[in-house]
Amino acid sequence: DQQVKQNSPSLSVQEGRISILNCDYTNSMFDYFLWYKKYPAEGPTFLISISSIKDKNEDGRFTVFLNKSAKHLSLHIVPSQPGDSAVYFCAASALGGAGSYQLTFGKGTKLSVIP
Amino acid sequence: ETGVTQSPTHLIKTRGQQVTLRCSSQSGHNTVSWYQQALGQGPQFIFQYYREEENGRGNFPPRFSGLQFPNYSSELNVNALELDDSALYLCASSLRRNVPSGGHGYTFGSGTRLTVV
Repeated sequence: DQQVKQNSPSLSVQEGRISILNCDYTNSMFDYFLWYKKYPAEGPTFLISISSIKDKNEDGRFTVFLNKSAKHLSLHIVPSQPGDSAVYFCAASALGGAGSYQLTFGKGTKLSVIP
Repeated sequence: ETGVTQSPTHLIKTRGQQVTLRCSSQSGHNTVSWYQQALGQGPQFIFQYYREEENGRGNFPPRFSGLQFPNYSSELNVNALELDDSALYLCASSLRRNVPSGGHGYTFGSGTRLTVV
């Protein structure tokens, strides 16, 4: 039972164009949604997040959109740069046992930005 | 400010053996969470340690156990290793147990790659 789904394993985009990464979820109890970026041989790095009570959050070239009725979020990168090439994980947080917050991750989307 | 460091970086073990993975949390952080990332999957929550006690656990059997020390560093122990335990094990630290909700202040290490043969 996968609560966070990233249905596109890979995405190729030309440098300077928009990259759109998609994510779907099933659990209505998630309170925050996050995007992490991961390079080979490194741990995931936090990129941007959005509260479940908002529908858009922007940080420089990165914008996350949340559609709660569709249980769908997307990450837009504009303009895309070759250094953005990495695996992007969508994650969602919820209060777990004993007051801890747990992250539930999707399987990731490998973004390749072509110069 | 030092980040999260994990050791060893790579490890090969035989089925049935036991393994201990180590994590030093980022300076000033008192909470450590462990995640397992199997090949082609996203990281999966194992458990979290706060004030030297387990504080939340994912869907992992009891042979996965941990410790947190007074200096906030942590160990992940896995007994009776199985082939499916082969994965990248990630440690993440934060200042408080409820920080990850917003994403900020939640720092991952580079992980330990465990191979069980």
